[in-house]
Amino acid sequence: KAGVTQTPRYLIKTRGQQVTLSCSPISGHRSVSWYQQTPGQGLQFLFEYFSETQRNKGNFPGRFSGRQFSNSRSEMNVSTLELGDSALYLCASSLSLAQETQYFGPGTRLLVL
Amino acid sequence: AQKITQTQPGMFVQEKEAVTLDCTYDTSDQSYGLFWYKQPSSGEMIFLIYQGSYDEQNATEGRYSLNFQKARKSANLVISASQLGDSAMYFCAMREGRSGSRLTFGEGTQLTVNP
Repeated sequence: KAGVTQTPRYLIKTRGQQVTLSCSPISGHRSVSWYQQTPGQGLQFLFEYFSETQRNKGNFPGRFSGRQFSNSRSEMNVSTLELGDSALYLCASSLSLAQETQYFGPGTRLLVL
Repeated sequence: AQKITQTQPGMFVQEKEAVTLDCTYDTSDQSYGLFWYKQPSSGEMIFLIYQGSYDEQNATEGRYSLNFQKARKSANLVISASQLGDSAMYFCAMREGRSGSRLTFGEGTQLTVNP
């Protein structure tokens, strides 16, 4: 069974631009979560989607948004990029919202110049 | 307050020896799950092992075992017979029963296995 896939793997943007990252979960998984990883803040939860609905949201500004499609694929969008948005963005999928293990994708490395 | 604390920023171990990575947690939930993930320099988070708060026995997965001491709120990872490929960052994480799938991570421990 294929793992979680994320595209693109690397991205360079400039301040003020917007970016969209994509995540395809493991087949059959319906829950998708997003995390931001930076050297200074570590791993921080962004949001979680299940059945096309946002179920949980971390403490990030409204510039960070996401959505989930009917096939469970998810996208996250960051508008008006700031230098501090440079990070590794990790997507994780699990079968449901219950006590299930989350499996992570390889991440998207975003550099904002 | 930190929910997950990993007090060892870096650890060194000789190949074929065992190593213990420490993790303490803080929660008021009765139902929670504890996880360990490995992150090589490539960036991908690799799931290693899971322990549920109601599990009476310590979890084991191959060379990985989780030393779960509920009263002390600790969930240490034990890696037996270390291999060079075990060199990576290791993260302890917790999911609280009321938080859906949301994971809270510790700051990580960088493990280096020496030949």
